[in-house]
Amino acid sequence: DGGITQSPKYLFRKEGQNVTLSCEQNLNHDAMYWYRQDPGQGLRLIYYSQIVNDFQKGDIAEGYSVSREKKESFPLTVTSAQKNPTAFYLCASSMDRGANQPQHFGDGTRLSIL
Amino acid sequence: GENVEQHPSTLSVQEGDSAVIKCTYSDSASNYFPWYKQELGKGPQLIIDIRSNVGEKKDQRIAVTLNKTAKHFSLHITETQPEDSAVYFCAASKGNQGGKLIFGQGTELSVKP
Repeated sequence: DGGITQSPKYLFRKEGQNVTLSCEQNLNHDAMYWYRQDPGQGLRLIYYSQIVNDFQKGDIAEGYSVSREKKESFPLTVTSAQKNPTAFYLCASSMDRGANQPQHFGDGTRLSIL
Repeated sequence: GENVEQHPSTLSVQEGDSAVIKCTYSDSASNYFPWYKQELGKGPQLIIDIRSNVGEKKDQRIAVTLNKTAKHFSLHITETQPEDSAVYFCAASKGNQGGKLIFGQGTELSVKP
């Protein structure tokens, strides 16, 4: 069954620690995205990747980093520079980078500060 | 840049009634408008989308209308059921920047049996 898998479902970060959120898709999609969702707000774009070994900053990239070494994987690292990391993080993918292809989401990772 | 405003923030209807959620966008170059349904603890699920060359699209009990001149689009749910209760998000995209979506703030829909 094709889809997007995010892990872990819950994650806790200590002060000064970097944490990495996993996102894997088996839909053979070219484009992948990371969004942040805060309570009562819409989703905001952190980073996106249109193709392997390439990625672009979104609207709120500061304090985050990504890599895209494989088509099916797009991990997000929340660094210690991100001072307010508590949020619900959502990964999405779409068939390709153009022509407004629908984006499909995983079920998210909830990150909290210890 | 693009800004998407969504209203209302909460909506309560009786089962069987219709529900309407409205969004306005600021960038006239936007040409793709998806709607997502998000249940508690889950990721958003695409329920319907519309492109700027179409004024209306229907899928069973769900319809979306687009007014390009006024720069607003609406989600209509008819014959609502308790399982329609969720948070609904609208979004807009221009098709550049890798298909970047700008989301509205969300509407929490409650359908009372």
